[in-house]
Amino acid sequence: AQSVTQPDIHITVSEGASLELRCNYSYGATPYLFWYVQSPGQGLQLLLKYFSGDTLVQGIKGFEAEFKRSQSSFNLRKPSVHWSDAAEYFCAVGARNTDKLIFGTGTRLQVFP
Amino acid sequence: SQTIHQWPATLVQPVGSPLSLECTVEGTSNPNLYWYRQAAGRGLQLLFYSVGIGQISSEVPQNLSASRPQDRQFILSSKKLLLSDSGFYLCAWSGQSGNTIYFGEGSWLTVV
Repeated sequence: AQSVTQPDIHITVSEGASLELRCNYSYGATPYLFWYVQSPGQGLQLLLKYFSGDTLVQGIKGFEAEFKRSQSSFNLRKPSVHWSDAAEYFCAVGARNTDKLIFGTGTRLQVFP
Repeated sequence: SQTIHQWPATLVQPVGSPLSLECTVEGTSNPNLYWYRQAAGRGLQLLFYSVGIGQISSEVPQNLSASRPQDRQFILSSKKLLLSDSGFYLCAWSGQSGNTIYFGEGSWLTVV
């Protein structure tokens, strides 16, 4: 079955600390992978995506993610978190011949000063 | 550039009343259009999906319906709202050849 798992429901970090949000997927086809961010009461904004090529992808707001096929993972990282990064983060997986994405249940990030 | 708008942003409706949420996309033609629902503390649930005018796929059984009267317009409706319809509704679009989905700002619906 196709699925996306974000094992961490809630993560708290201090401002300036590094961040890694985990995402694991189960997908039959070659996956297209996405990370979205959602601020409270807002829509989802695309942070980055991976279709093919270099497995380390750079996104907006200083985020990056690494695709590891052997681990079926696409973890999101940021070297130094800012208070404005507090939000909910969603990982999603799709494929070349489908326009539907499967979303994880999200990880809520809290940042302390 | 492409933009997506949905309205109203916030809605409080009594049980049994009708619903109409509207979404329009600008700057592109023949997009795929989506309605998602996000219930409190839960992930995103795809409700409806459309590849063209009048073409609607329903992903889950419910008392909601969707229509696409124009190429870039997508409407979510209900004849009689239930308490369980409360949630955050997101309209989204993608290009016909691309696989990236872009979201609107969302509409908060509270059924009382």
